Amino acid sequence: DSGVTQTPKHLITATGQRVTLRCSPRSGDLSVYWYQQSLDQGLQFLIQYYNGEERAKGNILERFSAQQFPDLHSELNLSSLELGDSALYFCASSGGTSGGPLTSTDTQYFGPGTRLTVL
Amino acid sequence: KNQVEQSPQSLIILEGKNCTLQCNYTVSPFSNLRWYKQDTGRGPVSLTIMTFSENTKSNGRYTATLDADTKQSSLHITASQLSDSASYICVVIAYGNNRLAFGKGNQVVVIP
Repeated sequence: DSGVTQTPKHLITATGQRVTLRCSPRSGDLSVYWYQQSLDQGLQFLIQYYNGEERAKGNILERFSAQQFPDLHSELNLSSLELGDSALYFCASSGGTSGGPLTSTDTQYFGPGTRLTVL
Repeated sequence: KNQVEQSPQSLIILEGKNCTLQCNYTVSPFSNLRWYKQDTGRGPVSLTIMTFSENTKSNGRYTATLDADTKQSSLHITASQLSDSASYICVVIAYGNNRLAFGKGNQVVVIP
């Protein structure tokens, strides 16, 4: 158990809909990262938050947005869903004191993932 | 072109045998390189983290090597077990950059 929790575990929805994925980081970790993993792709970095502020953006579509709340949990919102959005969505957390790039002493802990199926 | 290339894409090995997975990268400037193990349908788990000054790092039966000059890393699995069946992902982090470059993974299947 990594200490990172994600809900829901599975989500099935229809095209055009909107969903929210939730992540709670390990106790004390201020950074939260979101990743998408499709069957034919590796892990794709979407976005990073540190202590409530956006720190880095990857290949995140405009239809997707995220935020990190004062209690440090984070939500990833996916709207106008398309078939191609079906994937595993992972959240990860790490410690660190600045929200900067992961140094060699920053271990990143991944949650169990949310499997999104868009029909 | 992906900044992190892993080979072989997949391999099957007999239980008890050793295997070596390769990772070549073009990320620059280099900060650190990580190997993760990902069981099917689960989140990746960190195995090793290496900086440019480290040539070798071990975690149990897993040994990672790094040649920062040639920008190559390898992950060696010794005396493989059935539980080693997983995808092994190489991740490279650039200095001064929050973004992580992921390889597509080496899929390892250990058979009895």
